[in-house]
Amino acid sequence: GAVVSQHPSWVICKSGTSVKIECRSLDFQATTMFWYRQFPKQSLMLMATSNEGSKATYEQGVEKDKFLINHASLTLSTLTVTSAHPEDSSFYICSALNAGATYNEQFFGPGTRLTVL
Amino acid sequence: GNSVTQMEGPVTLSEEAFLTINCTYTATGYPSLFWYVQYPGEGLQLLLKATKADDKGSNKGFEATYRKETTSFHLEKGSVQVSDSAVYFCALTNKAAGNKLTFGGGTRVLVKP
Repeated sequence: GAVVSQHPSWVICKSGTSVKIECRSLDFQATTMFWYRQFPKQSLMLMATSNEGSKATYEQGVEKDKFLINHASLTLSTLTVTSAHPEDSSFYICSALNAGATYNEQFFGPGTRLTVL
Repeated sequence: GNSVTQMEGPVTLSEEAFLTINCTYTATGYPSLFWYVQYPGEGLQLLLKATKADDKGSNKGFEATYRKETTSFHLEKGSVQVSDSAVYFCALTNKAAGNKLTFGGGTRVLVKP
């Protein structure tokens, strides 16, 4: 149980286009999801916290107009990279908080590799 | 704020060797502590956890004990396999962080046959 999926697993796009990444909790409800960015050989950097039915909370230095987050249901959060540029190329990982568990454990998706040409 | 420090890699070992990855933390109160593993090209998988002092988390031959007195959560495995080659992240969360995880920098482990 407690599976989180991401789609797509990888995407290549042209500079200036927008890309949407989906994060789904498959067998539990997640009122809170997190979006991370990971550069090669580095740790995860938290970008934002996504709460179902409300606006996302962004970490300092993350452009909210650049990285649009929507958490429309208890099982789905989306991250849209708008007007993508090569510097946005990265590995994006989401996690979902299983608030129904004994303690609040985050379950991670498999990640989405974005390459902007 | 919360912080996690773990030993830098890469750590290169031979199969069946003993592995230790040091992790120390700074946090208020009694955080929950985690070790995650990331295989190449994949997301993170929870390896083990400990939610209170003196708890020992264990999984797949890996162990880590929550040491409040030394604010440490070192990861150990007695006999590594090639399949253990991965990046290992130490992490914590507490109420003050609102369930946000704070990660260490990650330690790359390479096990050679």
